[in-house]
Amino acid sequence: NAGVTQTPKFRVLKTGQSMTLLCAQDMNHEYMYWYRQDPGMGLRLIHYSVGEGTTAKGEVPDGYNVSRLKKQNFLLGLESAAPSQTSVYFCASRLRQGDLSGANVLTFGAGSRLTVL
Amino acid sequence: AQTVTQSQPEMSVQEAETVTLSCTYDTSESDYYLFWYKQPPSRQMILVIRQEAYKQQNATENRFSVNFQKAAKSFSLKISDSQLGDAAMYFCAYLIPNDKVIFGPGTSLSVIP
Repeated sequence: NAGVTQTPKFRVLKTGQSMTLLCAQDMNHEYMYWYRQDPGMGLRLIHYSVGEGTTAKGEVPDGYNVSRLKKQNFLLGLESAAPSQTSVYFCASRLRQGDLSGANVLTFGAGSRLTVL
Repeated sequence: AQTVTQSQPEMSVQEAETVTLSCTYDTSESDYYLFWYKQPPSRQMILVIRQEAYKQQNATENRFSVNFQKAAKSFSLKISDSQLGDAAMYFCAYLIPNDKVIFGPGTSLSVIP
C-alpha cells in the first residue's frame, strides 16, 4: 500500500498564479485533512472532509478551496497565490472513529513545499 | 474554539535521561482523543502515543508515557532513557470524534550526547 501520496512535492509559484495540490490515499479512509506547517506555529488545519462529497473549513481556510469528489482523493486549490501561502502542506487521512485499532490515528503524506514569489 | 497549547518551544535532555513535554488543551467536549506525534528532520509525521479521554489509565509505549489529567486538561509526554534518535519536533494533538484534529505549535527536543 502506498498510504497517503501528495503531488507535487515541491512547487514555486508567482503571486497571482493558481495551482492544485493532490492528496491520494489507498486505505479507504473516510476522513481527510489539509494542514499547513509554518515555523513556530505547528500544523494548522486548512480544510477537512468527513466523507466523499463533503468538506468543512478548518482554522485557516481563507485563500484555499477544496474538493472531495472521490473518496480516495482530496484536492487543495489556491486560486490566486500570495506570498503568505508559502508553506509546507501536509495531507492526512484516518478511518471513521471506532474501536478498531488505529481508527483515530492520522496517516500523513510526506508534505508538499510551496513557495510563492 | 478548541485549542492546543505547548508552552515549551524548545527543550533539551541529556542522553539516557528523562524529559517531560507539556501540553494543555481547551475543550467543552467530554469524548475525545489525544495524541503525541513526532516529526524528525525527515519531516515525516510519526505517531508516538495516543490516549482515549474516557480511559483513566495513562497510556504507555515502551519508553514513552503520558500523564493525562482530564480535569486540568493536561496531557504531558514523558520520554525515559532518551536516545539520540528522539531528537525531533513533538506535536500534541486533539481529535474530536467525527470531526477535526487540532495540533499544538510543537516543542523542539534536542538530545545531548
